[in-house]
Amino acid sequence: EVQLVESGGGLVQPGGSLRLSCVTSGFTFSNFDIHWVRQAPGKGLEWVSGIGSAGDAYYAASVQGRFTISRENAKNTLYLQMSSLRVGDTAVYYCSYGSTTSFAFDIWGLGTMVTVSS
Amino acid sequence: QSVLTQPPSASGTPGQRVTISCSGSRSNIGSEYVYWYQQFPGTAPKMIIYRSDQRPLGVPDRFSGSKSGTSASLAISGLRSEDEADYYCTTWDASLGAWVFGGGTKLTVL
Repeated sequence: EVQLVESGGGLVQPGGSLRLSCVTSGFTFSNFDIHWVRQAPGKGLEWVSGIGSAGDAYYAASVQGRFTISRENAKNTLYLQMSSLRVGDTAVYYCSYGSTTSFAFDIWGLGTMVTVSS
Repeated sequence: QSVLTQPPSASGTPGQRVTISCSGSRSNIGSEYVYWYQQFPGTAPKMIIYRSDQRPLGVPDRFSGSKSGTSASLAISGLRSEDEADYYCTTWDASLGAWVFGGGTKLTVL
């Protein structure tokens, strides 16, 4: 069974840092692009960042320069290092991937909540 | 302000057909596939349409997708109470080099 389990969320002050993890199982992690998508409370979905199987990373303009995505294939784990956090970064952060080349984001984790507040 | 524009709300009565639109531009919908997601409160989204008009296994054929030019649509026929949810479109934007989502449409079954 495919599973994505996010962790690392919590309460952080504006300007602070946090690292999210997404531990995966049930598929060959190293073969797939994988992404972070977030959802602010009561708001819509927002793609944050993605990383290809070759390690190429790409970011939404809203987080470029502040967030860093990475992957550790030996541990089947995706990371999101978040720095210079803003109140507007408050959201549930999901990791997600497309299980075939035809799909965009069809497999999702349950998400981890990040709250940026003083 | 989302790159893709969806109506914030839609509604219909059981059995009706409703359509949700998603408007973009040449750099996104105009040149890429569109994907649709259904989301219930407190849960992760579920993909219900891929590659603009394809249904994943297990998604009822009451759901259909289409694309024309720089716009896409999700149609739900034979509306049921369990279809009440939020619906999102997404696609790749070649100019931005990023995935973009619509703002979401809250579907109410009256």
